[in-house]
Amino acid sequence: EIVLTQSPGTLSLSPGERATLSCRASQSVSRNFLAWYHHKPGQAPRLLIYDASNRATGIPDRFSGSGSGTDFTLTISRLEPEDFAVYYCQQYGNSPFTFGQGTRLEIK
Amino acid sequence: QVHLLQSGAEVKKPGASVKLSCKASGYKFTSYSIHWVRQAPGQRLEWMGWLGAGDAYTKYSQKFQGRVTITRDTSASTVYMELSSLTSEDTAIYYCARVASAYGDLSHFDYWGQGTLVTVAS
Repeated sequence: EIVLTQSPGTLSLSPGERATLSCRASQSVSRNFLAWYHHKPGQAPRLLIYDASNRATGIPDRFSGSGSGTDFTLTISRLEPEDFAVYYCQQYGNSPFTFGQGTRLEIK
Repeated sequence: QVHLLQSGAEVKKPGASVKLSCKASGYKFTSYSIHWVRQAPGQRLEWMGWLGAGDAYTKYSQKFQGRVTITRDTSASTVYMELSSLTSEDTAIYYCARVASAYGDLSHFDYWGQGTLVTVAS
């Protein structure tokens, strides 16, 4: 099973600032099949990025994904109020599909 | 538009079973796999298994093997997930999610249900 470790656990920033979130895999993610999701309590997770660097339909270009192999990054260039939430990475290259433990992005 | 509507909250006693539903609309139901994911309080999202497109092939996480069954009713465009021998550790929000690629086994999830809270308590 591929274990995904996200860092930091919590990130405190202000609107307008840049956020950088990390996701590290215990072994190489097949075909860079890695996604990022945004999740607020009481809501369904929302797909942001797939295949490591492709933005999902309707996702603003302030969100970008990068990385390959075992190290991946989600960058939010200028934080908007609605961006404060928990972010999860997920690998879907190997079964069982696994998720990171999440990074909580909170308003400073 | 694509929508996944899940059944309502459940309260179960230890040892019981629960069967949740996920009704799909807005797309060709049999062309896309549906996965089930859960999140226990304070825990990460946890993948449980999937029901494939076409012939409804199923694959389960080893953690839940023998306790989980995913089925579908094509006429109702609904996928079901039954979990048996419940314990307090099964208290969680359960989500269904659709893969983005038709007939794709290895794919990210583009649409999610709203989640169903299952509480297991004596």
